[in-house]
Amino acid sequence: GENVEQHPSTLSVQEGDSAVIKCTYSDSASNYFPWYKQELGKRPQLIIDIRSNVGEKKDQRIAVTLNKTAKHFSLHITETQPEDSAVYFCAATSVYNNAGNMLTFGGGTRLMVKP
Amino acid sequence: NAGVTQTPKFRILKIGQSMTLQCAQDMNHNYMYWYRQDPGMGLKLIYYSVGAGITDKGEVPNGYNVSRSTTEDFPLRLELAAPSQTSVYFCASSHDRGPYRELFFGEGSRLTVL
Repeated sequence: GENVEQHPSTLSVQEGDSAVIKCTYSDSASNYFPWYKQELGKRPQLIIDIRSNVGEKKDQRIAVTLNKTAKHFSLHITETQPEDSAVYFCAATSVYNNAGNMLTFGGGTRLMVKP
Repeated sequence: NAGVTQTPKFRILKIGQSMTLQCAQDMNHNYMYWYRQDPGMGLKLIYYSVGAGITDKGEVPNGYNVSRSTTEDFPLRLELAAPSQTSVYFCASSHDRGPYRELFFGEGSRLTVL
């Protein structure tokens, strides 16, 4: 089955700096890579995703990159703000080989943005 | 729409007790999932369902059971609770329109087994 590893487990940055979270996956058949954000005590929510037919996707201050050859993908947050403080989860799945569209999640990264 | 609703939010169980975590969604989603989140860890899939009457095991199904008699409800049953089941449990749902599906999570149920 799929295995997703996520690094770092904690990340502390100064407000305004950039933050990068990296994930690697094991199954070359995986073709969908979403990122979920979980604020303290809240439910995880989808913030951005990328499909295997593109190498990069941006949405305002966040971007995701995908390297299929190396089997890794990353989340980039620019101009970080205190409200970006949360736990971020990467995930991977093969949407065509997976009847339940089951996501395999990474272990999470706790991002702390210091004002 | 209320989205995905889970009850209870908090529960303390004694070893060996049983309980049911309730999950309901009002988005007419066919796909529903139960995940557990251990401290400092990612989300592990316990069970999932692709429609009423259909359930299947995820990564960590031992000690749990599910049923799906309606599209809206997907309860998770814990039999003979053990300390290893202390965790936060999230129910989620997604539509089945196309292969790229966003998961909508409930607020979570924090379970402690003592």
